[in-house]
Amino acid sequence: DIQLTQSPSFLSASVGDTVTITCRASQGISSFLAWYQQKPGGAPKLLIYAASTLQSGVPSRFSGSGSGTEFTLTISSLQPEDFATYYCQQLNSYPLTFGGGTKVDIK
Amino acid sequence: EVQLLESGGGSVQPGGSLRLSCAASGFTFRSYVMSWVRQAPGKGLEWVSSISGSGGTTQYTDSVKGRFTVSRDNSKNTLYLQMNTLRAEDTAIYYCVRGLWLRFPADYWGQGTPVTVSS
Repeated sequence: DIQLTQSPSFLSASVGDTVTITCRASQGISSFLAWYQQKPGGAPKLLIYAASTLQSGVPSRFSGSGSGTEFTLTISSLQPEDFATYYCQQLNSYPLTFGGGTKVDIK
Repeated sequence: EVQLLESGGGSVQPGGSLRLSCAASGFTFRSYVMSWVRQAPGKGLEWVSSISGSGGTTQYTDSVKGRFTVSRDNSKNTLYLQMNTLRAEDTAIYYCVRGLWLRFPADYWGQGTPVTVSS
């Protein structure tokens, strides 16, 4: 199975900050990676797929990059509605594994 | 508007069974892969199972193989998950999602239905 390691697992930031979350795969997954946002009590929401393609309707302050084994999600100018938990997921091979999550909290 | 509405969750004793349903609307159901993803209390996300648009191909995570069966009725726009021989570690919120196949992410999620396995 492909393991995905997210770092950090928790980060504290302020409105207006730029934050970066890293997702490392235990083996190469090309660009078959997605990022999701989950707010407390809610269902996850797709943000980015194919490592860097923004899902329709997602604000442009979200961006993704990377290929192979290292990927990043960047949120520029953090907004109050961005405080949530973020997960990466690999779509390269079964089982379709998720990272452990990164909780972005208000400083 | 795409809508996914899960039902069928509840409390069951270890070894018991439950059948989850997901009623889909707002898109051509038979054209899409559908999947189940679960989230144990306070934990992360775990992919459980996926089924092709025709229903002819299915995939499962190892921990549920032989116990869970995913199916769909395209005439009713409904996805199912039959869960047998339930264990405490199956306790989770179960989300119905559109998509999740090799290279294809989950682009719509239901609100989830809770399953509790406890004696």
